[in-house]
Amino acid sequence: GAVVSQHPSWVICKSGTSVKIECRSLDFQATTMFWYRQFPKQSLMLMATSNEGSKATYEQGVEKDKFLINHASLTLSTLTVTSAHPEDSSFYICSARVGDSQPQHFGDGTRLSIL
Amino acid sequence: QKEVEQDPGPLSVPEGAIVSLNCTYSNSAFQYFMWYRQYSRKGPELLMYTYSSGNKEDGRFTAQVDKSSKYISLFIRDSQPSDSATYLCAGRMDSSYKLIFGSGTRLLVRP
Repeated sequence: GAVVSQHPSWVICKSGTSVKIECRSLDFQATTMFWYRQFPKQSLMLMATSNEGSKATYEQGVEKDKFLINHASLTLSTLTVTSAHPEDSSFYICSARVGDSQPQHFGDGTRLSIL
Repeated sequence: QKEVEQDPGPLSVPEGAIVSLNCTYSNSAFQYFMWYRQYSRKGPELLMYTYSSGNKEDGRFTAQVDKSSKYISLFIRDSQPSDSATYLCAGRMDSSYKLIFGSGTRLLVRP
């Protein structure tokens, strides 16, 4: 149980394009979903937290207009990297949890490469 | 000082060895503690989830939390080459959704 699916797993695109990443909880309804960024050989950095039907809460230093998050249902959250540039290249990982006292379960990540 | 400290390794052990992975943390308000395993180019996989101090066992894995010394451990018995991965510890306060991760320890289990 507690499977989180992320799509796509890898995307390469040109500078200036926008990229959408999907995160789905397959076998449970997620009250809260989280988006992280991970650079090589570093730990996960929380970017934002989203609750179904409400605006996302962004961590300090994360540009809201750059990283658009939509949490339209209890099983789906999307992250759109707008006007992506090479410095946005990274490994983006989502997670989801059922309730406040429950652990976060992670997707397999999306490797984003901006040329 | 980071809130959660982990030795980056790599820790290299022979197959079948008992592995001990450790973290220290500074926030005395942490109540939830987690261990995740992360293979290269994959997302973290939850191994152990504990609340407050004590031990928890699941198969070959045992998690220990000592809140008095702010020390958490993960023991892996009968280690296998497939256990080779990066192990991340994390803590969380009761009142917060935010996980605070260590930087991870890379484990290599030699056949």
